[in-house]
Amino acid sequence: SQKIEQNSEALNIQEGKTATLTCNYTNYSPAYLQWYRQDPGRGPVFLLLIRENEKEKRKERLKVTFDTTLKQSLFHITASQPADSATYLCALDALGGGFKTIFGAGTRLFVKA
Amino acid sequence: NAGVTQTPKFRILKIGQSMTLQCTQDMNHNYMYWYRQDPGMGLKLIYYSVGAGITDKGEVPNGYNVSRSTTEDFPLRLELAAPSQTSVYFCASSYPDRGPPEAFFGQGTRLTVV
Repeated sequence: SQKIEQNSEALNIQEGKTATLTCNYTNYSPAYLQWYRQDPGRGPVFLLLIRENEKEKRKERLKVTFDTTLKQSLFHITASQPADSATYLCALDALGGGFKTIFGAGTRLFVKA
Repeated sequence: NAGVTQTPKFRILKIGQSMTLQCTQDMNHNYMYWYRQDPGMGLKLIYYSVGAGITDKGEVPNGYNVSRSTTEDFPLRLELAAPSQTSVYFCASSYPDRGPPEAFFGQGTRLTVV
């Protein structure tokens, strides 16, 4: 069955460092991979999308890589700030009717001042 | 811009009761979704709709029903509430025909079944 795995353990880093979060998937050939941010008690908010034919995407301090051979995406936040503390969700979509989006469980990030 | 609006925000139900979770969006998106999120778990897709009059099951549809009579509204119905349906429910919408399927989420409904 299709499976998305993200680190269940929280990631603790110091302000100013680069945070790197991992998303692995199996039995799946996504056309897109998305990253969302979720704050406690709120709905997820879209951050970045990368297509299957793209290796890397950047937006301000965010960078996403997508390796379809390894079936893995890395999500980087450079110069991290305490305000970046949140849960980050990886989501996959497949072509072919419905655009059903499947989400990982998310990784909690804590950035210490 | 209201985006995706869900009501109510919180609800406590007794076992066997029924209720409807409301979701409306004002972005003219054709796709709408219902997810549930349990603690420490990812979002699980319950039902989705690709347009008015069309709905389809997601990963965990049992115990739920939906309808989509208009583009704006996508209510989720729980007929016989069970403790296993205690969760946070999120409604989302997107317009993949315009491009990548970025989803916009509501604030969520926290449901407890006792």
